[in-house]
Amino acid sequence: DAGVIQSPRHEVTEMGQEVTLRCKPISGHDYLFWYRQTMMRGLELLIYFNNNVPIDDSGMPEDRFSAKMPNASFSTLKIQPSEPRDSAVYFCASSSPWTGLKEKLFFGSGTQLSVL
Amino acid sequence: AQSVAQPEDQVNVAEGNPLTVKCTYSVSGNPYLFWYVQYPNRGLQFLLKYITGDNLVKGSYGFEAEFNKSQTSFHLKKPSALVSDSALYFCAVRDRIGGYQKVTFGIGTKLQVIP
Repeated sequence: DAGVIQSPRHEVTEMGQEVTLRCKPISGHDYLFWYRQTMMRGLELLIYFNNNVPIDDSGMPEDRFSAKMPNASFSTLKIQPSEPRDSAVYFCASSSPWTGLKEKLFFGSGTQLSVL
Repeated sequence: AQSVAQPEDQVNVAEGNPLTVKCTYSVSGNPYLFWYVQYPNRGLQFLLKYITGDNLVKGSYGFEAEFNKSQTSFHLKKPSALVSDSALYFCAVRDRIGGYQKVTFGIGTKLQVIP
């Protein structure tokens, strides 16, 4: 398996533009998580899905952020409009019900977002 | 609310020496505890977990962690550090009460192993 795949690896955009981050979880995994990593705040959970349904979005910072999971193999995180303070590394992670440990997360390589 | 504290931003250790990366936690019930490692420009990788049972748990790459309920700590240890262990280490906790709840990560500790 190729693991969790995120695209793009790097995104540079200007303030006010729409940004869409993409994630393909590991096949068969039923949980998908979006995290944001910054130096100041560490790793923050933004939202997570179970079987494509959003379960907890309390970590989404503002209405400018939205996430979807239209099917088991694809999720997007959208920021519209983007602001410089959104600059961070965004990680997607998935987990499997079959390991007996839902909390063993498999992370993608992340998207480095820079908003100028 | 559950929380995790990693009191050291960075830990420096000489190659071959034992290493400890500290973690303390706060939950309302019994905890699930985890350690993850992040190498540069990579996502986090699972190292080990404590759910119940022996207080000393063993994980990947020779790492182990000691659960101490009275001190609410879950320190990561390795008897002999390698230069390749240099990375960012995250402690995480999940409250075991109820159904699935989110895993809370610490802010991370940078481990630097000096040749």
